[in-house]
Amino acid sequence: SQTIHQWPATLVQPVGSPLSLECTVEGTSNPNLYWYRQAAGRGLQLLFYSVGIGQISSEVPQNLSASRPQDRQFILSSKKLLLSDSGFYLCAWSGVPSAKLFFGSGTQLSVL
Amino acid sequence: RKEVEQDPGPFNVPEGATVAFNCTYSNSASQSFFWYRQDCRKEPKLLMSVYSSGNEDGRFTAQLNRASQYISLLIRDSKLSDSATYLCVVNGEDSNYQLIWGAGTKLIIKP
Repeated sequence: SQTIHQWPATLVQPVGSPLSLECTVEGTSNPNLYWYRQAAGRGLQLLFYSVGIGQISSEVPQNLSASRPQDRQFILSSKKLLLSDSGFYLCAWSGVPSAKLFFGSGTQLSVL
Repeated sequence: RKEVEQDPGPFNVPEGATVAFNCTYSNSASQSFFWYRQDCRKEPKLLMSVYSSGNEDGRFTAQLNRASQYISLLIRDSKLSDSATYLCVVNGEDSNYQLIWGAGTKLIIKP
């Protein structure tokens, strides 16, 4: 069966520090991968999606970047965090676009 | 108008009661519809897909009304464990890869 791992679960970082969140998927090949951010009381906002190694699409301009160095690995990064980067970050995968998503357990990021 | 709108609630419902909530969407061309459940500070989990003819999964029934552009979720014989936020999801118009998420409806089942 397929599983998705995301870490860390919580992270407290000072403003201006770098960020690296990692997500890996097991039990499937060539998944569509996604990074979402969820702000309190709001719907999930798609940040990045990837349909293959090295293929990254950004949905919103921001202080973040994503990379997919391996088929089942998706990384969310920032060189310098802003206060506004605080939020709940979720990695997800799907078999085909616009299909049901399966999420990692999320990372609660607090930028202070 | 938001692309996907939900009543944020909370809906306070006694255990054993039936509760229903709707979600409206703006893109008449949408083809994929889902209900997800999210517990506090946890990841969303797929509850059920929504099919054109309506579908049922145990105590849960989902319906799609294309004419009025809304989907609904009905929960019968509610349990304390049904307390959660229910997220409505619809595929967007800008990209085949983007699902548009509602902000969720909070449900609280009281003993």
